[in-house]
Amino acid sequence: EDQVTQSPEALRLQEGESSSLNCSYTVSGLRGLFWYRQDPGKGPEFLFTLYSAGEEKEKERLKATLTKKESFLHITAPKPEDSATYLCAVQAGYSGAGSYQLTFGKGTKLSVIP
Amino acid sequence: DTGVSQDPRHKITKRGQNVTFRCDPISEHNRLYWYRQTLGQGPEFLTYFQNEAQLEKSRLLSDRFSAERPKGSFSTLEIQRTEQGDSAMYLCASSLVQGSNYGYTFGSGTRLTVV
Repeated sequence: EDQVTQSPEALRLQEGESSSLNCSYTVSGLRGLFWYRQDPGKGPEFLFTLYSAGEEKEKERLKATLTKKESFLHITAPKPEDSATYLCAVQAGYSGAGSYQLTFGKGTKLSVIP
Repeated sequence: DTGVSQDPRHKITKRGQNVTFRCDPISEHNRLYWYRQTLGQGPEFLTYFQNEAQLEKSRLLSDRFSAERPKGSFSTLEIQRTEQGDSAMYLCASSLVQGSNYGYTFGSGTRLTVV
């Protein structure tokens, strides 16, 4: 069974204080690892897809990296508007039943204090 | 195109009543997914359509749940004889057939409260 574990559950940062969120996963062959941002009362907003170990992607203050067992979301000099829950999800690489679904972690709730 | 639309945004219903939610995906997306999210949890997969065909159903989807996607356009999710445990955010997502750097686009969800 595919599993995704995110840590920490919650993180409070001062504005400008850089940090990283962790996503550990076990999956039967990885087709893709996804990062989403979710604001309260809204649906997840797509950030990145990573496909293979060593891959990195960046968007503004966010940088996502991938190894064979985990992914990190690095946040550089965060601002209060970066406050949200960040979700990690994996899609398995096998064909057939279950291969189309994403398996999500519980998320990391990030609060950036001015 | 403004993204994935879901209606209603909020629904309060009495236990035992039937409810139906609607999802309008991004027009060129041929894949449509339903997920359920409870407080403090990540979304959980419910079902998946490619065009009008329902290709996958989670074991979470009991017999009281049914989903349709007529003509491969919008989709509906119906819950019959609602229970308090059905209270959750129901999320719809759509995507193209896989390509590079693809992502699933989620709607804002329908929050169901069963009282």
